[in-house]
Amino acid sequence: EADIYQTPRYLVIGTGKKITLECSQTMGHDKMYWYQQDPGMELHLIHYSYGVNSTEKGDLSSESTVSRIRTEHFPLTLESARPSHTSQYLCASSILAGEETQYFGPGTRLLVL
Amino acid sequence: GENVEQHPSTLSVQEGDSAVIKCTYSDSASNYFPWYKQELGKRPQLIIDIRSNVGEKKDQRIAVTLNKTAKHFSLHITETQPEDSAVYFCAAIGSDMRFGAGTRLTVKP
Repeated sequence: EADIYQTPRYLVIGTGKKITLECSQTMGHDKMYWYQQDPGMELHLIHYSYGVNSTEKGDLSSESTVSRIRTEHFPLTLESARPSHTSQYLCASSILAGEETQYFGPGTRLLVL
Repeated sequence: GENVEQHPSTLSVQEGDSAVIKCTYSDSASNYFPWYKQELGKRPQLIIDIRSNVGEKKDQRIAVTLNKTAKHFSLHITETQPEDSAVYFCAAIGSDMRFGAGTRLTVKP
């Protein structure tokens, strides 16, 4: 079944650790996105990608990096986790042009101690 | 770039009443306007959308209206039920895409 998958779903980690949040989609979509969202609050765009080898910065990009080596895979890396990174991270994807409805993954809840 | 404002931030209604959430956008190039519902602990999911060549769209108890001249669009939920309680996000898509800040809707039984 076409869907968006995120792993891990929950992560507790200490300050200063490097972490990578995984996102993969079987939707056949070109465009992918990462959002940070505190529960029930505003969606903040971190990074997005138009396709393979394309990465663009969003509003909260300064403390993380992304890569897009394969169409279906869009991992997000925090080089040095801090308590301020505690939040939910949502991955999404859409077709490249036209009806750009975004479909969201289930999210990763991150707690940095 | 696009800027989307959403009001109100919280909305409480009695079961059976109607709920209206309004959004305004700034970029006249925006031509597609989806609405998402996010239940507690779950991912945002598309519930209805509208394109710039249409003024209104309805799907059962949910409707969306668009006024391109005024650059605003609204979500209307009629005969609200407790399961409509969630956070609702509007979005405007054109050369850019932006979400509104969200509206927390509570339907009291």
